[in-house]
Amino acid sequence: DAGVTQSPTHLIKTRGQHVTLRCSPISGHKSVSWYQQVLGQGPQFIFQYYEKEERGRGNFPDRFSARQFPNYSSELNVNALLLGDSALYLCASSLRGVWVTGELFFGEGSRLTVL
Amino acid sequence: AQSVTQPDIHITVSEGASLELRCNYSYGATPYLFWYVQSPGQGLQLLLKYFSGDTLVQGIKGFEAEFKRSQSSFNLRKPSVHWSDAAEYFCAVGTMEYGNKLVFGAGTILRVKS
Repeated sequence: DAGVTQSPTHLIKTRGQHVTLRCSPISGHKSVSWYQQVLGQGPQFIFQYYEKEERGRGNFPDRFSARQFPNYSSELNVNALLLGDSALYLCASSLRGVWVTGELFFGEGSRLTVL
Repeated sequence: AQSVTQPDIHITVSEGASLELRCNYSYGATPYLFWYVQSPGQGLQLLLKYFSGDTLVQGIKGFEAEFKRSQSSFNLRKPSVHWSDAAEYFCAVGTMEYGNKLVFGAGTILRVKS
């Protein structure tokens, strides 16, 4: 079975541009979360979606937005890119949106470089 | 607010030696605790988790961790390290404030010398 898949794997943008990152969860999983991992740090929570509704939002500016589609895939959008947005963006899926049903499974990430 | 501290940024051990990676957490309720491993350029792989019950949990690749509520710790151990264990290790606490959000520590980079 396929794990969590993310695209693109690597991309380079310039300051002020917009980026869209995509994630397909494990088949049957209905919750998708997004994390930002800056070099040398642990991942930080950005968003969680469950059944197409936002369930949680981390401490990120409004330039960051996300959505979940009927097939449970998800997009993360970042507008007006800043140099500090350079990071590995990780998507994670879980069966449902709460811990009782188990852990998060992570994709390999999308490496964003902002020049 | 929830937080996770991994006091060691880097650890170097000899192949075949034992390993202990430290993790301390701050969380008001009963925590859900996790250890993940990340190889360079890769995503995160779950090593083990603690939800409830036995405080000594076994994971994949021969790793184990012990939950000590009195010390707010969840240290990761392995009796004999292999060169392939070189990676970055993250401890995380699962919070209940939003679904299943994880709060991660800053990570510990493990180097294995032959």
